[in-house]
Amino acid sequence: AQSVSQHNHHVILSEAASLELGCNYSYGGTVNLFWYVQYPGQHLQLLLKYFSGDPLVKGIKGFEAEFIKSKFSFNLRKPSVQWSDTAEYFCAVKSPSGGYNKLIFGAGTRLAVHP
Amino acid sequence: DVKVTQSSRYLVKRTGEKVFLECVQDMDHENMFWYRQDPGLGLRLIYFSYDVKMKEKGDIPEGYSVSREKKERFSLILESASTNQTSMYLCASNDRDRSNNEQFFGPGTRLTVL
Repeated sequence: AQSVSQHNHHVILSEAASLELGCNYSYGGTVNLFWYVQYPGQHLQLLLKYFSGDPLVKGIKGFEAEFIKSKFSFNLRKPSVQWSDTAEYFCAVKSPSGGYNKLIFGAGTRLAVHP
Repeated sequence: DVKVTQSSRYLVKRTGEKVFLECVQDMDHENMFWYRQDPGLGLRLIYFSYDVKMKEKGDIPEGYSVSREKKERFSLILESASTNQTSMYLCASNDRDRSNNEQFFGPGTRLTVL
């Protein structure tokens, strides 16, 4: 079965530290990749997505992600985190077994940023 | 502004009760999805629907059923709630156009089964 792995379940950083969250997927063909964020008490919202083209994708709030096909990875980065980035982050890949635009999600990474 | 709404933010039910969770989207999306979100497990797909009256099982459909009588509304039904169905339930929708896979999510319903 296709899967998405997020390596870190909990990350704790101080403000201004750099962030990198790992994401690996198991499917070897053409993929669509996403990072979603869930702030405390809020609904999931899209941070960024990759469909094709430039493998370095810019998202909202200063986030970016790099698609490395040879490593089956789509890691999320931010050069300098803020307290307001405290949230849970989910990596997702469009299911290759389908149609209907189904997504497969990773287990999530909880990020806590301390002032 | 796109919107997916869910009927309740918090719900407490007793074991054996029949539970209905409602989801409405105003984006005229063909596809709608129900997930459950549990700590350390991420989002797992329960059921999805690609058209009115059409449904497909997701990864964890056992103990659940769904109904889609109108395009904008997708209901999740727990026929006989059990304590292991205590979870956060998320509804999502997206367009049939495969060039745009982004899913839009509702705020979630936190269900507690006692």
